[in-house]
Amino acid sequence: NAGVTQTPKFQVLKTGQSMTLQCAQDMNHEYMSWYRQDPGMGLRLIHYSVGAGITDQGEVPNGYNVSRSTTEDFPLRLLSAAPSQTSVYFCASSRRAGGPVDTQYFGPGTRLTVL
Amino acid sequence: TQLLEQSPQFLSIQEGENLTVYCNSSSVFSSLQWYRQEPGEGPVLLVTVVTGGEVKKLKRLTFQFGDARKDSSLHITAAQPGDTGLYLCAGTGAGSEKLVFGKGTKLTVNP
Repeated sequence: NAGVTQTPKFQVLKTGQSMTLQCAQDMNHEYMSWYRQDPGMGLRLIHYSVGAGITDQGEVPNGYNVSRSTTEDFPLRLLSAAPSQTSVYFCASSRRAGGPVDTQYFGPGTRLTVL
Repeated sequence: TQLLEQSPQFLSIQEGENLTVYCNSSSVFSSLQWYRQEPGEGPVLLVTVVTGGEVKKLKRLTFQFGDARKDSSLHITAAQPGDTGLYLCAGTGAGSEKLVFGKGTKLTVNP
């Protein structure tokens, strides 16, 4: 198993550009989520999904869109990049949502810089 | 929004010393997890606690969930340089589908 994979590993964008951060998992996990990590801020939840076709907002959803057309993939779209979106983005997955949380498996992260 | 406060934010100690990291909230959590993150990598789960008063041990690491399920602590005995990293607590409220993270404690163990 490859676990959780994320691409690209690094990305530089100009203000106003759009892009998609890719996330895939091969563990047949129901629950997938996106976090951003900024210095001194821990991890903040952007969007999450409890299964294919179902998505919901986290703490900091503005400026980001997601979709979950398959169990395996959960892409994160930046519609019009802003410097405030400069961050490290982590995708995570777990077997199931709700109740006592299962182990979250994190990808290696995407380091995004918006100029 | 449920918040988790971690303390201290930074901790620098010598090899062989003991330390405790705290994770506190005003809200009740159905479960709390502790993760460890190394530079350039994603967090890795250390432990999950679900019962108030629960104590779990993982080699030199001892994790405790408060009786009221509002707080947790991580105690490391005889710290080693390999324990260096960012320690994050994370919790889920009853019926919630969201995992909330604290801001983390950056631990440095000097040889």
